[in-house]
Amino acid sequence: DAGITQSPRHKVTETGTPVTLRCHQTENHRYMYWYRQDPGHGLRLIHYSYGVKDTDKGEVSDGYSVSRSKTEDFLLTLESATSSQTSVYFCAIAGTSGGDTQYFGPGTRLTVL
Amino acid sequence: QQQVKQSPQSLIVQKGGISIINCAYENTAFDYFPWYQQFPGKGPALLIAIRPDVSEKKEGRFTISFNKSAKQFSLHIMDSQPGDSATYFCAASRGNYQLIWGAGTKLIIKP
Repeated sequence: DAGITQSPRHKVTETGTPVTLRCHQTENHRYMYWYRQDPGHGLRLIHYSYGVKDTDKGEVSDGYSVSRSKTEDFLLTLESATSSQTSVYFCAIAGTSGGDTQYFGPGTRLTVL
Repeated sequence: QQQVKQSPQSLIVQKGGISIINCAYENTAFDYFPWYQQFPGKGPALLIAIRPDVSEKKEGRFTISFNKSAKQFSLHIMDSQPGDSATYFCAASRGNYQLIWGAGTKLIIKP
């Protein structure tokens, strides 16, 4: 497995609270991604990063922000969680050695009550 | 133009049979077509991938067939086994480290 960890692995929170999910990689890959996965919607890109402090929006970025202060860490923040953000969140990485291949972390299951 | 359309949504195949999942795309700039396999509770993992300079790529029981003129590609799983039961995603990229994903196919192999 690619060296990708996500924390926490499970979280239950209440509507309106801030939540931060962490993705950590040991592969020194340049690109990092946050996806959400919901039944019937497949994988949807939230935000991605192409380098330290370089990030851009994906197709479902509303309500989410990200930060990347170090190559190895990519944080996803829900400023004020809503029930529609209940989902499984996956981090992925990609780098020049693998071309366009993305390697996924184990996922974080988030429940917003 | 950015979409990748995947079918079927779900598929049930008898053990030993051939599983076939299809994907179609519009953007002729795509030049990388991977298939990912996802087991419940796990992240997707790369299964096999192809570039448009070849029409077929085989790895063990898994084969990608690629039809450039029709803008279609498919995954064939020969001698399907219960352990192949998973969700399969096709994707496409134009070399910019962005993958455009199909919606996924839930495959069940009946023993």
